Amino acid sequence: DAGVTQSPTHLIKTRGQHVTLRCSPISGHKSVSWYQQVLGQGPQFIFQYYEKEERGRGNFPDRFSARQFPNYSSELNVNALLLGDSALYLCASSSWAGGNTEAFFGQGTRLTVV
Amino acid sequence: DQQVKQNSPSLSVQEGRISILNCDYTNSMFDYFLWYKKYPAEGPTFLISISSIKDKNEDGRFTVFLNKSAKHLSLHIVPSQPGDSAVYFCAASRGGADGLTFGKGTHLIIQP
Repeated sequence: DAGVTQSPTHLIKTRGQHVTLRCSPISGHKSVSWYQQVLGQGPQFIFQYYEKEERGRGNFPDRFSARQFPNYSSELNVNALLLGDSALYLCASSSWAGGNTEAFFGQGTRLTVV
Repeated sequence: DQQVKQNSPSLSVQEGRISILNCDYTNSMFDYFLWYKKYPAEGPTFLISISSIKDKNEDGRFTVFLNKSAKHLSLHIVPSQPGDSAVYFCAASRGGADGLTFGKGTHLIIQP
């Protein structure tokens, strides 16, 4: 049974460019969340989507956006990349969006902005 | 400000002994707590969780203790095994759709 899958695994972009990261949740899970993890820190919440609607948003600028598709997969988009956006981007899936439930993470996408 | 704190960046324990990882939180609205383990180049792996209505939860070698009055939780691993060497993250949830709040992690090293 497939877990959470993310693509690509690694990515190098130039400042000012745009990037799209993709995530497929565990089969049967309808909620997808995105996190950013910079070196030496714990993951930081960016977005949560449930049933194709944004249900929660962390403290990130408007350059970050996301969406969820009818098959519950999700994309995270980042515009006008900055050097500080270099991080591991993690996707997590859970069965619902109300909290108090386990979130299962993918292996992440390592984004390097040069 | 860090709402979830793991004050020990690293911890070294002998194989077979008990590993105790600690976590403190400041937000009294948190009502669900989780521990994750992370190996390099992998995503975090869920280990164990506890609701604020409980003070203890066990799963095999892993036990999580919650002290709400002290806003403190701990993860006990008994006995510690070499494969337990990893970074451990404490996370907390307020029950809404605003995601998990993580600590900075503790690097656990199991010595043979």
